[in-house]
Amino acid sequence: DQQVKQNSPSLSVQEGRISILNCDYTNSMFDYFLWYKKYPAEGPTFLISISSIKDKNEDGRFTVFLNKSAKHLSLHIVPSQPGDSAVYFCAASETGANNLFFGTGTRLTVIP
Amino acid sequence: EAGVAQSPRYKIIEKRQSVAFWCNPISGHATLYWYQQILGQGPKLLIQFQNNGVVDDSQLPKDRFSAERLKGVDSTLKIQPAKLEDSAVYLCASSRRQGWTEAFFGQGTRLTVV
Repeated sequence: DQQVKQNSPSLSVQEGRISILNCDYTNSMFDYFLWYKKYPAEGPTFLISISSIKDKNEDGRFTVFLNKSAKHLSLHIVPSQPGDSAVYFCAASETGANNLFFGTGTRLTVIP
Repeated sequence: EAGVAQSPRYKIIEKRQSVAFWCNPISGHATLYWYQQILGQGPKLLIQFQNNGVVDDSQLPKDRFSAERLKGVDSTLKIQPAKLEDSAVYLCASSRRQGWTEAFFGQGTRLTVV
């Protein structure tokens, strides 16, 4: 049972525009969320996280929004750059739990 | 700071053979994870160590998979015998303490079982 879902397998965006990647989760006990970025032949790299006590966290060009009532989070990249082209994984966990549940990933392509 | 090291990078074996993967976590990281990522899916936790003790191995197929972390540093993951469905990337990750902080992943070992 997939507890974290990324329903868009791929996304293409023009350089300089906004990229919005979406993620939904089903487990209401999740209270910590992370985004990872993965280049080909490399392991996932931590990008940004958010705790459920917040609804927004910003780090440079990256902002994550959390809507707890909708069990939805999104990652905004502004402005998008060609180097952002990668697979982005959403992940969620419950405080004190051992596991981190990943979505299936969204492949972002930023077109120069 | 050196990252998480894994070897080998690639491995091709026949079904029913055995294989082992090695992971060296970031220095000082007490928690170590092994994840399995099948093509087109997100990573799935196989086992978590805290120092040299197993914290969670509920998703590890124990009839064929085994893992150890001797001395609380390096870890090995073994599959014996391998099945076709074991073809995946095996990712090792480490973090400073138990419970979720940002984990650092290695490059992974891509296993192909033919």
